[in-house]
Amino acid sequence: SAVISQKPSRDICQRGTSLTIQCQVDSQVTMMFWYRQQPGQSLTLIATANQGSEATYESGFVIDKFPISRPNLTFSTLTVSNMSPEDSSIYLCSVEAGRDEQFFGPGTRLTVL
Amino acid sequence: GESVGLHLPTLSVQEGDNSIINCAYSNSASDYFIWYKQESGKGPQFIIDIRSNMDKRQGQRVTVLLNKTVKHLSLQIAATQPGDSAVYFCAENSRGAGGTSYGKLTFGQGTILTVHP
Repeated sequence: SAVISQKPSRDICQRGTSLTIQCQVDSQVTMMFWYRQQPGQSLTLIATANQGSEATYESGFVIDKFPISRPNLTFSTLTVSNMSPEDSSIYLCSVEAGRDEQFFGPGTRLTVL
Repeated sequence: GESVGLHLPTLSVQEGDNSIINCAYSNSASDYFIWYKQESGKGPQFIIDIRSNMDKRQGQRVTVLLNKTVKHLSLQIAATQPGDSAVYFCAENSRGAGGTSYGKLTFGQGTILTVHP
């Protein structure tokens, strides 16, 4: 397994501002992912963050809204840009460790006012 | 806290009973499946996985059954305890050409399990 931490654990932000979420893993991993979990909902994949290349975004998510960095094999950031109340969610990073097993961080709980 | 579960199916059991949580998946090409447990205020926790070349896998107090014919997955929890109360999600993954994992999990809607002492 992998130990994953996220910062901040929660935040309350004003609309129109941006928030950058950090994800740190205790070991080097090739694949990192960012998910969104809206209130009362399941998880939806936002993008796959690959080291040394642009992130790959899923349908409905764009780089201008959710820019991602992956500077090395243990760290990634997700920025939620120009936030609106509809962006209030839990944002989770995950990593693939071992053969296919995927482990999640504790999540960042974002409230946009 | 978050109102996780307003839109999710629920299962209530008595402590000591066995629990069965079901999940239907959509992609017949999916070859790897995972069950996660999510407690309030936490990220999903890996419970058990199964590959498509198996129909049953057992862990500690948990068993996952896979029926590829009807695209159905179930999680059985033996002797359910109050600490098992959480939201349970199934997730599916498919493999691309050459065996490369896409790594992209598609999650089911989740089930809220409540265990009464």
